[in-house]
Amino acid sequence: EIVMTQSPATLSVSPGERATLSCRASQSVSSNLAWYQQKPGRAPRLLIYDASTRATGIPARFSGSGSGTEFTLTISSLQSEDFAVYYCQQYNNWLRTFGQGTKVEIK
Amino acid sequence: QVQLQESGPGLVKPSGTLSLTCAVSGGSISNNKWWTWVRQAPGKGLEWIGEIYHSGTTNYNPSLNSRVTISVDKSKNQFSLKLSSVTAADTAVYFCANQVTIFAGAFDIWGQGTMVTVSS
Repeated sequence: EIVMTQSPATLSVSPGERATLSCRASQSVSSNLAWYQQKPGRAPRLLIYDASTRATGIPARFSGSGSGTEFTLTISSLQSEDFAVYYCQQYNNWLRTFGQGTKVEIK
Repeated sequence: QVQLQESGPGLVKPSGTLSLTCAVSGGSISNNKWWTWVRQAPGKGLEWIGEIYHSGTTNYNPSLNSRVTISVDKSKNQFSLKLSSVTAADTAVYFCANQVTIFAGAFDIWGQGTMVTVSS
């Protein structure tokens, strides 16, 4: 099983500031990585797949980078609606695995 | 636009079998993408349960492998999850989902989720 580790667990950011979230894989997943946003009581929302491709309708302030074992999700200027939990997920292996999540909260 | 809707009992007794169905609307279940179940225990992260292709081919999370069965009913355009010998640890919101493309195992279409509680 590929273990996905996200850091930090909680990120306190002021509106308008940049947020940088990290995700590390226990072995290479190439570029087969996705990022999701989840708000309480809602299903996850796909933001990024293939490490850097924005999903349909996702604002340009969300960007993904990385390959192999190290990945980053950047939110360039946090809006009020961006405060949520973010998960990474690998799909390089048929056994899909998620990170434990990073909560982005208002500073 | 494909939409997914989970349905099934919200309460299951310990040692019983959890049974859920995901109805697919707005598209065909034979769309050459894998159909997936994911769950989320209260206050916890996301756990991939398994997936099925319209041909019936399945992959399961080894941590649940012996208890999980995912099936597809093309005539009803739906797929189902059965989880046997449930315990309180199986209490969770269960989501069904579909891939964003046939090549990428990321999920852009999700059901709203259904809460299942295991309790006597």
